[in-house]
Amino acid sequence: NAGVTQTPKFQVLKTGQSMTLQCAQDMNHEYMSWYRQDPGMGLRLIHYSVGAGITDQGEVPNGYNVSRSTTEDFPLRLLSAAPSQTSVYFCASRPGQHTDTQYFGPGTRLTVL
Amino acid sequence: ILNVEQSPQSLHVQEGDSTNFTCSFPSSNFYALHWYRWETAKSPEALFVMTLNGDEKKKGRISATLNTKEGYSYLYIKGSQPEDSATYLCAFRGKTSYDKVIFGPGTSLSVIP
Repeated sequence: NAGVTQTPKFQVLKTGQSMTLQCAQDMNHEYMSWYRQDPGMGLRLIHYSVGAGITDQGEVPNGYNVSRSTTEDFPLRLLSAAPSQTSVYFCASRPGQHTDTQYFGPGTRLTVL
Repeated sequence: ILNVEQSPQSLHVQEGDSTNFTCSFPSSNFYALHWYRWETAKSPEALFVMTLNGDEKKKGRISATLNTKEGYSYLYIKGSQPEDSATYLCAFRGKTSYDKVIFGPGTSLSVIP
C-alpha cells in the first residue's frame, strides 16, 4: 500500500490564482480530512469527509472547496489564492471506526505571493 | 469553537531526564483523545487513542493518562533520548461532532545529548 499520497510537494502561486491539491489513499478508508499547519498553531481542520459524496466544514473552511466523488480521492481546491493561505497542507485518512487514529500524507508546502 | 490547549509550548531537557506535558480539552463534550508524535519534515504518527476516564496507555518509555471529568491528559516520557525530539500533538473529538478531529497547538520537545 502507498498509504496517503499528496501532490504536489511544493507549489508557488500568485495572488488570485486557483489550484487543486491532490490527496489519495489506497486503504479503503471512509474518513478523509484536510489540515493546514501554521507556526504555533498546530494543525487546523479545513474540511473533512465521512464517505464518498459527503463533505463538511472544519475550523477554517473559507477560501477552500472540497469534493469526494470516490472513496480514494479527496482534492482540495483554492479558488482564488491569497497570501494568508501560505501554509503546509496535510491530508489524512482513517478507516471509519470511531476511535481510529488518522494516517497522514507527506504534506504540500504552498506559498502564495 | 472547540478549545484544545497544550502546555508547555516548548521544552528542552537533557538526555536521561523524564518529562511530561499537558493537553486540556472541553470536559463536558468528551468522546476521544488522541496523541500524535510529529518529527520535523515528517508526517504526524499516532501514539495513543484514549476514550475512558482513568485510561492509561503505554508504549515503551512513553505513557499517557486521561481525566475526562476535569478535561486533561498527560503525556510522560521516561528517560528522554535524542530520538524523542519531536512535536507532540493531542487531538480531541467531542460527542456532538465526533467526526471532527481538532488538534491542539503541540508541545515541541528537544532532548539535548
